[in-house]
Amino acid sequence: AQTIHQWPVAEIKAVGSPLSLGCTIKGKSSPNLYWYWQATGGTLQQLFYSITVGQVESVVQLNLSASRPKDDQFILSTEKLLLSHSGFYLCAWSLHLGQDTQYFGPGTRLLVL
Amino acid sequence: QQKVQQSPESLSVPEGGMASLNCTSSDRNFQYFWWYRQHSGEGPKALMSIFSDGDKKEGRFTAHLNKASLHVSLHIRDSQPSDSALYFCAASASSGQKLVFGQGTILKVYL
Repeated sequence: AQTIHQWPVAEIKAVGSPLSLGCTIKGKSSPNLYWYWQATGGTLQQLFYSITVGQVESVVQLNLSASRPKDDQFILSTEKLLLSHSGFYLCAWSLHLGQDTQYFGPGTRLLVL
Repeated sequence: QQKVQQSPESLSVPEGGMASLNCTSSDRNFQYFWWYRQHSGEGPKALMSIFSDGDKKEGRFTAHLNKASLHVSLHIRDSQPSDSALYFCAASASSGQKLVFGQGTILKVYL
């Protein structure tokens, strides 16, 4: 069975500090990977997607970057956090693009002060 | 403008009742639709997908799609308190890189 793990579970960070969030998928080879952001009680906004190792496409510009260093790992980062980065970050995977269902991880809660 | 609009914003139904959620898209490129459910503090979980006109039933959940009007609905019969959650409609085009979510409907099932 596939499992998706996100770390850390929660973070409290200062404005201007760096950030790195991680996501690991186990039990599925060469998945498509996605990062989403969600304001409290709000909709989900897709940030990045990756079809293969080393390739990441940006969907929206939010002063964030993403990388896929391994087949089963997806990293979201920034060198300088903004207040607007606060929220819930979710990693998801699917087998293919298009009509395949995306499956979400448990998320990382980020508070920027 | 939000490309996927959900209604109502919130809904309360008694235990055992029927909950009906609606979703309309403004983009005719969207061909694939999903319903997701998110409990507080958790990641969203996929309830069901629907790609063809008509009804699709899975247990207590029935989705209906009308591609001509770009309208999708979700009906939950025999609602349970555990169904209380935030429900999202999501849509994608055939190219599939982007999944667009609606703003969500809060469902509360009361005893």
